[in-house]
Amino acid sequence: AIQMTQSPSSLSASVGDRVTITCRASQGIRNDLGWYQQRPGKAPKLLIYAASSLQSGVPSRFSGSGSGTDFTLTINSLQPEDFATYYCLQDYNYPRTFGQGTKLEIK
Amino acid sequence: EVQLVESGGALVQPGGSLRLSCATSGFTFSDYWMTWVRQAPGKGLEWVANIKRDGSQNHYVDSVEGRFTISRDNAKNSLFLQMNSLRAEDTAVYYCARDTTHSDTSGHYFDAFDIWGQGTMVTVSS
Repeated sequence: AIQMTQSPSSLSASVGDRVTITCRASQGIRNDLGWYQQRPGKAPKLLIYAASSLQSGVPSRFSGSGSGTDFTLTINSLQPEDFATYYCLQDYNYPRTFGQGTKLEIK
Repeated sequence: EVQLVESGGALVQPGGSLRLSCATSGFTFSDYWMTWVRQAPGKGLEWVANIKRDGSQNHYVDSVEGRFTISRDNAKNSLFLQMNSLRAEDTAVYYCARDTTHSDTSGHYFDAFDIWGQGTMVTVSS
């Protein structure tokens, strides 16, 4: 199975900051990658699919980039509701695999 | 309103069985691949299984292959997960999710789990 490694595992930032989360695949996965946000006690929410396509209804401060093995999720101008855990997910092959998650906390 | 509602979670002894259900509404169920994802307490997300629109294809994570069976009833707009030979490590919240597969100009498809249920808790313990 493809391993997805996110960094950092946790991150502290302030409202208004710009943050970047990285996801690395153990082999090339083209641009077959999604990003999900999960708030405590809630179901995950789709943010990005196909590495850089913004899901409908998701604020434009979220953006994704990358191809092959290295991907990034960038959040511009952090808002209070953005403090959550973020996961990448590869859909290049089976089994689909998530990264271990990045917890974004308020500084 | 598009909605997914899981049910069937419970406390079960190791080696036991359980059947989870995911009732859907607000969209044409038979048009979508469907997926199960789980999350052990305090842990990250784990993709478990998926099933094609007509039920003709399915895939599983290695750890549940041979023990879990995903199925669907398009007439009843419902998704299921039959879980047998349950182990302590299967303890988790189980989510069903709709997969809106997007395609690019070359016809390549991308997963997009755009609608999720609220989850149902499965606890495997003696």
